Amino acid sequence: GQQVQQSPASLVLQEGENAELQCNFSTSLNSMQWFYQRPGGSLVSLFYNPSGTKHSGRLTSTTVIKERRSSLHISSSQTTDSGTYLCALEPSGGSNAKLTFGKGTKLSVKS
Amino acid sequence: DAGVTQTPRHEVAEKGQTIILKCEPVSGHNDLFWYRQTKIQGLELLSYFRSKSLMEDGGAFKDRFKAEMLNSSFSTLKIQPTEPKDSAVYLCASSLMAGNTLYFGEGSRLIVV
Repeated sequence: GQQVQQSPASLVLQEGENAELQCNFSTSLNSMQWFYQRPGGSLVSLFYNPSGTKHSGRLTSTTVIKERRSSLHISSSQTTDSGTYLCALEPSGGSNAKLTFGKGTKLSVKS
Repeated sequence: DAGVTQTPRHEVAEKGQTIILKCEPVSGHNDLFWYRQTKIQGLELLSYFRSKSLMEDGGAFKDRFKAEMLNSSFSTLKIQPTEPKDSAVYLCASSLMAGNTLYFGEGSRLIVV
């Protein structure tokens, strides 16, 4: 079965609202990576988060291994945050070569 | 520093043609990856090189897909012969080593008619 499940599949926000994106996984994990993909563009790494909470500007990533989940929180969303957010699971003992990507959350922020 | 460079950005091919996509990784990176991205399947690993050696070649893609890395700064992905189901975005990525941040190129969008 699918090892990584992302939710929601899509999300529409008004500018200024917060967003919570989830990634649930079913296998043991070395780390969870979060990427942002702008429409028609490349993926940009946001976080490499094996466990706990990490912050970067308005973004916060939290990985809770016991609960087999990782989340990405976007506070005070802006129209420029629109795009697709993907999580990727790096399995225990694995490397980037073993990354399993979620299907992504397509975020649209309206002004 | 230049990021990952992919060419061409867009390609339209007729069924049965041979297509070669190119990738230049970030200078000094040891790991290089080729992925295919579609709306239905998401991101799928096609090939993985470490220090120019092929480490993974994505079993399901073996027969018509061949990735090569002739030197540490250049890789190609050949699709031969192309089929309409190969229509997708092909992404190249590199990292310094295992467990490090992945850097992606802009991708090559392939349409096979």
